[in-house]
Amino acid sequence: AQSVSQHNHHVILSEAASLELGCNYSYGGTVNLFWYVQYPGQHLQLLLKYFSGDPLVKGIKGFEAEFIKSKFSFNLRKPSVQWSDTAEYFCAVKVYNTDKLIFGTGTRLQVFP
Amino acid sequence: DVKVTQSSRYLVKRTGEKVFLECVQDMDHENMFWYRQDPGLGLRLIYFSYDVKMKEKGDIPEGYSVSREKKERFSLILESASTNQTSMYLCASSLSSGNTGELFFGEGSRLTVL
Repeated sequence: AQSVSQHNHHVILSEAASLELGCNYSYGGTVNLFWYVQYPGQHLQLLLKYFSGDPLVKGIKGFEAEFIKSKFSFNLRKPSVQWSDTAEYFCAVKVYNTDKLIFGTGTRLQVFP
Repeated sequence: DVKVTQSSRYLVKRTGEKVFLECVQDMDHENMFWYRQDPGLGLRLIYFSYDVKMKEKGDIPEGYSVSREKKERFSLILESASTNQTSMYLCASSLSSGNTGELFFGEGSRLTVL
């Protein structure tokens, strides 16, 4: 069965620090990958997604992610975080031949001024 | 603007009670989903529906059932609530296969079972 792993459970950074959150998936075929963000008290919203083409995907609020097929990874990056990036981040993979998404366990990011 | 509305933001129920969680979407999406979100476990799929009256079990369907009588509405039912069902429940919707697969989420229903 397909699965998603997020190894960073809780990350604490100061403003302006660089961010990289890890995401690994298990399926070896064609994959559709997503990063979702949940700000405190708000609903989950899409940050970015990868379907095909350029493996470097740019999303909202300065986030980007790189799909590395050989490493089964889809890590999320941001060069300089802000206090407003404090949130929980979820990586997800679309299950092959279905419309279901499988989510990772999430990474809680705290950014201090 | 895309909207998924969950009828109750907070509920407190007693063990053994029957619980209904309602979700409505206004985007004419074919697919609807119920997930539960628990700290350290992320989002786990309970059930999903790809059409009216159609449903499919997710990863953790035990103790839950669903109903989809109209395209825009997807209900999650806990026949006899138990304390281990205390959780945040998230409803989501999406267009059918062939599209981007993006899910649109509601704000969640936090259920406490005493």
